[in-house]
Amino acid sequence: GAVVSQHPSWVICKSGTSVKIECRSLDFQATTMFWYRQFPKQSLMLMATSNEGSKATYEQGVEKDKFLINHASLTLSTLTVTSAHPEDSSFYICSASSAGTGHEQYFGPGTRLTVT
Amino acid sequence: QKEVEQDPGPLSVPEGAIVSLNCTYSNSAFQYFMWYRQYSRKGPELLMYTYSSGNKEDGRFTAQVDKSSKYISLFIRDSQPSDSATYLCAMKTGGFKTIFGAGTRLFVKA
Repeated sequence: GAVVSQHPSWVICKSGTSVKIECRSLDFQATTMFWYRQFPKQSLMLMATSNEGSKATYEQGVEKDKFLINHASLTLSTLTVTSAHPEDSSFYICSASSAGTGHEQYFGPGTRLTVT
Repeated sequence: QKEVEQDPGPLSVPEGAIVSLNCTYSNSAFQYFMWYRQYSRKGPELLMYTYSSGNKEDGRFTAQVDKSSKYISLFIRDSQPSDSATYLCAMKTGGFKTIFGAGTRLFVKA
């Protein structure tokens, strides 16, 4: 089946620093990648959708200058949380999709970000 | 009104029980319906993917879609403690954007 990886799985950073999270599709080419945020015991909140080689489309209320998304290749997308603050602490999950997967989304294992 | 409504539970059942999980939706344009299972601190895992109305079975799991009622269900037969997780329904139109339910937390007691 389609496999998506994320790195790191857990990161702790100090307030004011930036953190980069990688999302990779391991066995298929992902034309579209999604970034979600999930708070404890809550559902997934879509942050942005990115297509390879294009600028990401951000959901309403998501600061594009704070959450930088790059989808430079068909197997890699990155999310950079800039000038992180404690309220950015959350579980960040990416997913990937392509025509080859029937447009189904396959999720990565998630990255837990803690900002101190 | 949310586009997708899902009871967050928790739902607690004894081992071996049949579990019924449900979602309702308001957008009649939804055509693709999915169920994901999410273990604590893990990413969601796709369980079932259905197009339009009807039933789909995969092992102990059966997904049902009733578009006339805007209602979808996931049944788990012979539930096991390892089925304890949060189950998310999801749906979309022909595009890429997927709308997720809030998730139902399921506990299967041994």
